[in-house]
Amino acid sequence: QKEVEQNSGPLSVPEGAIASLNCTYSDRGSQSFFWYRQYSGKSPELIMFIYSNGDKEDGRFTAQLNKASQYVSLLIRDSQPSDSATYLCARGRGNNRLAFGKGNQVVVIP
Amino acid sequence: DAGITQSPRHKVTETGTPVTLRCHQTENHRYMYWYRQDPGHGLRLIHYSYGVKDTDKGEVSDGYSVSRSKTEDFLLTLESATSSQTSVYFCAINGGATGYGYTFGSGTRLTVV
Repeated sequence: QKEVEQNSGPLSVPEGAIASLNCTYSDRGSQSFFWYRQYSGKSPELIMFIYSNGDKEDGRFTAQLNKASQYVSLLIRDSQPSDSATYLCARGRGNNRLAFGKGNQVVVIP
Repeated sequence: DAGITQSPRHKVTETGTPVTLRCHQTENHRYMYWYRQDPGHGLRLIHYSYGVKDTDKGEVSDGYSVSRSKTEDFLLTLESATSSQTSVYFCAINGGATGYGYTFGSGTRLTVV
């Protein structure tokens, strides 16, 4: 099992809808989790981080962490065409390293 | 923007030649990282540094070496480039403007022919 798995294929959502992305991880000792957004041809940019169980909200984004079930999710409310991108899940490791999932592409349809 | 720049942005090189990519930061951060990104594989760690002259391997370090003689510069060298090293290479610093996670450079697209 890979350290961080993002198994869903491309996600198409209508404008204004909620996009839901999921990520699972294998190391129960993981403490920190990050969501990055990457536009085509650009570098990843941090949009959310979460350390504690439960929900964390930042604008239209909500990260959810469930350590018992070893998953972290990202909700994008009121999806906009500008949200069309690849979203990368990552978990923290020793020496401040990050292990990334392969990413999920989101396409917001106007 | 966080002060992290990569050079060159694009490079085409021939198989068997050495290639050096440069990452420069102005944030005085201790940690620096080199990743490669390939379709179907996501971001994979090549090498990282936790201080001047302190470096360690990531999970795809074969064929690569790094050096960090100054806090601000982290160099990645492909000792003898192969076609399998055609990729997009990203440098990252820990913390950056956000204080958490990484800030990435703009990337270097390397093609080995």
